[in-house]
Amino acid sequence: RKEVEQDPGPFNVPEGATVAFNCTYSNSASQSFFWYRQDCRKEPKLLMSVYSSGNEDGRFTAQLNRASQYISLLIRDSKLSDSATYLCVVVQDAGNNRKLIWGLGTSLAVNP
Amino acid sequence: NAGVTQTPKFQVLKTGQSMTLQCAQDMNHNSMYWYRQDPGMGLRLIYYSASEGTTDKGEVPNGYNVSRLNKREFSLRLESAAPSQTSVYFCASSALGSSYNSPLHFGNGTRLTVT
Repeated sequence: RKEVEQDPGPFNVPEGATVAFNCTYSNSASQSFFWYRQDCRKEPKLLMSVYSSGNEDGRFTAQLNRASQYISLLIRDSKLSDSATYLCVVVQDAGNNRKLIWGLGTSLAVNP
Repeated sequence: NAGVTQTPKFQVLKTGQSMTLQCAQDMNHNSMYWYRQDPGMGLRLIYYSASEGTTDKGEVPNGYNVSRLNKREFSLRLESAAPSQTSVYFCASSALGSSYNSPLHFGNGTRLTVT
């Protein structure tokens, strides 16, 4: 089993739809989690951190389920500009440092 | 608002040539990273520098060297380029590499082709 797994998609949704992505991780000792957005041929950009109690930023909601070992990203009222690849990152303890494990990403296409 | 700046944006090398990718950040971050991204492989860590004066190997260090020149700058060198090093390279920085809650900020990337 991969350390971090994401459904690659693509997810094709109409404007205004609600879409959700999951990201599963295998190490129950994982410490923190992030969602990044990557546009085609661009660098990854931080979308949001994922907090234990869940957190919301405008149309975006991130949740953590430690029992089932997954994080989720919910996008409400999808816009054309939301079309991108969404990467999850899981942070683990690595002695004096930390280890970031990246998912391969989920591709989202929002259609007019 | 420069953030993380990488140069060059594009580069074509012949097999065996050498080059250095430059990276600088103006956010006063302690930690810096070099990743490569290939289709189907995702982001893979080449080297990182947890703080000024230290560097460590990541997941795929072979064929690369790094220098943390000062707190701002972290360069990646390919001594003898190989076609397998054709990739998109990203530099990143974070405020505290040891903090679980410190996210990475990426540069624009360098598209390298080795023929």
